Amino acid sequence: QKEVEQDPGPLSVPEGAIVSLNCTYSNSAFQYFMWYRQYSRKGPELLMYTYSSGNKEDGRFTAQVDKSSKYISLFIRDSQPSDSATYLCAMSSYSSASKIIFGSGTRLSIRP
Amino acid sequence: EAGVTQSPTHLIKTRGQQATLRCSPISGHTSVYWYQQALGLGLQFLLWYDEGEERNRGNFPPRFSGRQFPNYSSELNVNALELEDSALYLCASSYGTANTEAFFGQGTRLTVV
Repeated sequence: QKEVEQDPGPLSVPEGAIVSLNCTYSNSAFQYFMWYRQYSRKGPELLMYTYSSGNKEDGRFTAQVDKSSKYISLFIRDSQPSDSATYLCAMSSYSSASKIIFGSGTRLSIRP
Repeated sequence: EAGVTQSPTHLIKTRGQQATLRCSPISGHTSVYWYQQALGLGLQFLLWYDEGEERNRGNFPPRFSGRQFPNYSSELNVNALELEDSALYLCASSYGTANTEAFFGQGTRLTVV
């Protein structure tokens, strides 16, 4: 079993829809949680970062962490075609980027 | 402020050759990380450098090596290239060692033929 599981998609939704992206994990020691966005042929871009359970909001993006269920989510409101990308969840049990475990990524497509 | 920059953007090598990839971190960042992103395998941690020292390496053979220079830029060397080494190689940097907020460069696409 992988430490981090993420549905690869692809996920296709109409413009304006609310998008829900999810990851599950098995290591209860994970305490740092991140979401990255990666456009085709580009490097991953850090979108959201949190180290606690609950919700964190940034503009149209909300990251949710449920440590009891070992489940994290990223919600995108009012989705735009420019949100079309691969979204990677990532997490770590240590305060070091060398210990980050990445999900395999979900390909998201927003239809105009 | 410039982000993490990597060069070259693309690199084509033949099997058995050596490849050298370069990375310049964000100004003020002392830690540099290298990741391999192969198709279907996601991001795999390769190496971590901080203050010129190798701090940690992932589960890769010794022919993957690198170094960090006094200006914190870094080089990744891959010797005796194999076809399976074809991937996007990503460099990331962070401020200090106790930091999970890593910022990535655009990557170097290495193709081994």
